[in-house]
Amino acid sequence: TQLLEQSPQFLSIQEGENLTVYCNSSSVFSSLQWYRQEPGEGPVLLVTVVTGGEVKKLKRLTFQFGDARKDSSLHITAAQPGDTGLYLCAGGWRDDKIIFGKGTRLHILP
Amino acid sequence: DTGVSQDPRHKITKRGQNVTFRCDPISEHNRLYWYRQTLGQGPEFLTYFQNEAQLEKSRLLSDRFSAERPKGSFSTLEIQRTEQGDSAMYLCASSFVVPTQYFGPGTRLTVL
Repeated sequence: TQLLEQSPQFLSIQEGENLTVYCNSSSVFSSLQWYRQEPGEGPVLLVTVVTGGEVKKLKRLTFQFGDARKDSSLHITAAQPGDTGLYLCAGGWRDDKIIFGKGTRLHILP
Repeated sequence: DTGVSQDPRHKITKRGQNVTFRCDPISEHNRLYWYRQTLGQGPEFLTYFQNEAQLEKSRLLSDRFSAERPKGSFSTLEIQRTEQGDSAMYLCASSFVVPTQYFGPGTRLTVL
């Protein structure tokens, strides 16, 4: 059974600080997606990474896929209140399915 | 591109009643997925379709649950004889290029 563990579960930091959240597994994934979800809404796709070691940047967000394709990280520079939300990672373990971690709930204090 | 839409957004029902949810995927997407999400958890896979064919069902999908995608476009998820444990957010997603999935806003079900 593939499991994705996200850490930390909760993170509350001041506006302007940097942060990193992690997504780890003992399984190899063919791809890794990061989503952000706000209360009462569906997850919104941020990025898909498919190659081991791949790094993608989306404005102040930097996503990295581990070399062995078992883990990923999301780094946010100069966090803003608008970054508040639930960050979910999802691993692709067959061409047609993904499994989700439980998420990291991020709160940016103004 | 209007995105994935779901209807209704919220449903409150009494235990034992049947409910049906609808999902309209992004128009050119041939794959459609249903997930369930409870508080503090990530979305859990329920079932998925490629065109009109239902290719896989999770063990989470008891025989009270049924999903259809009759013309390969919109899909419905029906829950019969609802139980309080069915209370959750039901999410629909669609994709054209795997594995990237795009989610709808979800239907929040509350069973009293």
